[in-house]
Amino acid sequence: AQSVTQLGSHVSVSEGALVLLRCNYSSSVPPYLFWYVQYPNQGLQLLLKYTTGATLVKGINGFEAEFKKSETSFHLTKPSAHMSDAAEYFCAVSRMDSNYQLIWGAGTKLIIKP
Amino acid sequence: NAGVTQTPKFRILKIGQSMTLQCAQDMNHNYMYWYRQDPGMGLKLIYYSVGAGITDKGEVPNGYNVSRSTTEDFPLRLELAAPSQTSVYFCASRAGSTDTQYFGPGTRLTVL
Repeated sequence: AQSVTQLGSHVSVSEGALVLLRCNYSSSVPPYLFWYVQYPNQGLQLLLKYTTGATLVKGINGFEAEFKKSETSFHLTKPSAHMSDAAEYFCAVSRMDSNYQLIWGAGTKLIIKP
Repeated sequence: NAGVTQTPKFRILKIGQSMTLQCAQDMNHNYMYWYRQDPGMGLKLIYYSVGAGITDKGEVPNGYNVSRSTTEDFPLRLELAAPSQTSVYFCASRAGSTDTQYFGPGTRLTVL
């Protein structure tokens, strides 16, 4: 069975500091991997995704993530945090053979300190 | 395009009452999904549909029903509301040719 683990329900960084949100997955077949962002009182919005090809993927708002098969990880990074990045971030995995159904991590709330 | 719309935004129900959460999309997407989001738990799939007239259970279907009579609409019905159904409900859709789901703004439901 597939599963997704996000380390840390809350991550706090200072404005301008590096953002690192961790995601590890388990899957018996090559997965598709996603990061979604949820701003307060809003729906979820796709930040970036990995399907095939280049393992470093770039998303919106300066975020990027690297698929590391050997570590079964898909960590999300941003070099310099901005106050507007405060939100909850969800990692998800899907498989083409399961109709792209998404299995979700529990989410990480990113807090930006001024 | 309005994308995925959900109504109502908020609702308070008494135990045993019933209601329908509405979801509509104007992107001609075949696939539609209902999730519930509980604090610290991520999203759990309730029901999904691969096209008009076809629905299937997700991970947590008990206490809910769905129908899909048109491509655009995918309502979620709660027949006998229970406090355990207090949650935020999200509807999502995707095109058959892509892997990306698009989400509505959510409905916050409280059952007292």
